[in-house]
Amino acid sequence: KNEVEQSPQNLTAQEGEFITINCSYSVGISALHWLQQHPGGGIVSLFMLSSGKKKHGRLIATINIQEKHSSLHITASHPRDSAVYICAVSPSYNTDKLIFGTGTRLQVFP
Amino acid sequence: GAVVSQHPSRVICKSGTSVKIECRSLDFQATTMFWYRQFPKQSLMLMATSNEGSKATYEQGVEKDKFLINHASLTLSTLTVTSAHPEDSSFYICSPGRDGPDTQYFGPGTRLTVL
Repeated sequence: KNEVEQSPQNLTAQEGEFITINCSYSVGISALHWLQQHPGGGIVSLFMLSSGKKKHGRLIATINIQEKHSSLHITASHPRDSAVYICAVSPSYNTDKLIFGTGTRLQVFP
Repeated sequence: GAVVSQHPSRVICKSGTSVKIECRSLDFQATTMFWYRQFPKQSLMLMATSNEGSKATYEQGVEKDKFLINHASLTLSTLTVTSAHPEDSSFYICSPGRDGPDTQYFGPGTRLTVL
């Protein structure tokens, strides 16, 4: 079993829909990251969380440390949001390391 | 914000040749560089961690003699895939050690195809 699990693996949506991507992890962490990987492969950091909630534009990330769970929400989705969204955690035993989930492939259709 | 560059972005080579991938941190000094590999439709896997001026630390299962890492300066780390084989075809990504609490930078990646 992977230490970081994401769901769903694939997600399609119509433009304007509210989207939720979930991440569960099994190790103690110092931080959790949400990353966006574009079709060309480039990776952009969206959020780094250690508690609570963060918001940036139409993106919201939440984390529940007790339940070892995080969610990434996209409001008013747009075709340009189509990408792979990756959850990654920095484990407490090695805070420089990142353990990645397998990603959620999102396609938003106009 | 900080920028990380990788060169080349794409390389196709024959089996048996060596390929060098450069990773540069342009706006800050990176004492640590992480090298990841990503196979199609799989997650990123850490290959090795390099520290400026010292030997790299390799993850289990990664051959240090095959994947040579050099971190000679605070702005440049290189990964050389020696005697490349088709199974080495992958997407290689570098990432400097975090510079602050809310930043995690990644290079744009190098797609290696070994024929």
